[in-house]
Amino acid sequence: DGGITQSPKYLFRKEGQNVTLSCEQNLNHDAMYWYRQDPGQGLRLIYYSQIVNDFQKGDIAEGYSVSREKKESFPLTVTSAQKNPTAFYLCATTRRVMGGYTFGSGTRLTVV
Amino acid sequence: AQTVTQSQPEMSVQEAETVTLSCTYDTSESDYYLFWYKQPPSRQMILVIRQEAYKQQNATENRFSVNFQKAAKSFSLKISDSQLGDAAMYFCAYGNFGNEKLTFGTGTRLTIIP
Repeated sequence: DGGITQSPKYLFRKEGQNVTLSCEQNLNHDAMYWYRQDPGQGLRLIYYSQIVNDFQKGDIAEGYSVSREKKESFPLTVTSAQKNPTAFYLCATTRRVMGGYTFGSGTRLTVV
Repeated sequence: AQTVTQSQPEMSVQEAETVTLSCTYDTSESDYYLFWYKQPPSRQMILVIRQEAYKQQNATENRFSVNFQKAAKSFSLKISDSQLGDAAMYFCAYGNFGNEKLTFGTGTRLTIIP
């Protein structure tokens, strides 16, 4: 079955650590996105990529980094520079935005 | 920048009744598209319905329909015959041609009362 796999489902980070969230898709979609979800704030765009080896900052890119070395994968690294990383992170893909996104099941990141 | 506003943080409805969730947006574009997404307790985002701005006819998907008022920049979601499985967060989203990303509202939490 085609779909998006986000892993891990739950992730715990110690202060000062970098952590990487995985997003893999087999839908053959060109565009991939990372959103952060906090209570009362909806979904906010972190980074997005429309083609391999290219990506753009979203509204809240500070403290995050991404790579897009292959079409199927768009990992997100939460760096130690991100001071409030506890949130729910959603990965999404699309062939054309006018058709809407397909979402992964999300990763819950908690700072301990 | 485009903005999407959902002014109702929480709504509740009796099972089998009808409920309408509100969404307004701000844009200077004439050609765009709008979406409603559902996020149940599992947190999996599910596309409920979509509307293209050039289409005057309101979109319908089974018990879900929209009231699209382009001049007022309003895009409300009507859920008829509400069911317990409709309990979820509902997000309104906006996108336009040439800007390959969606902007989301802050969501409305819908509770179904048995």
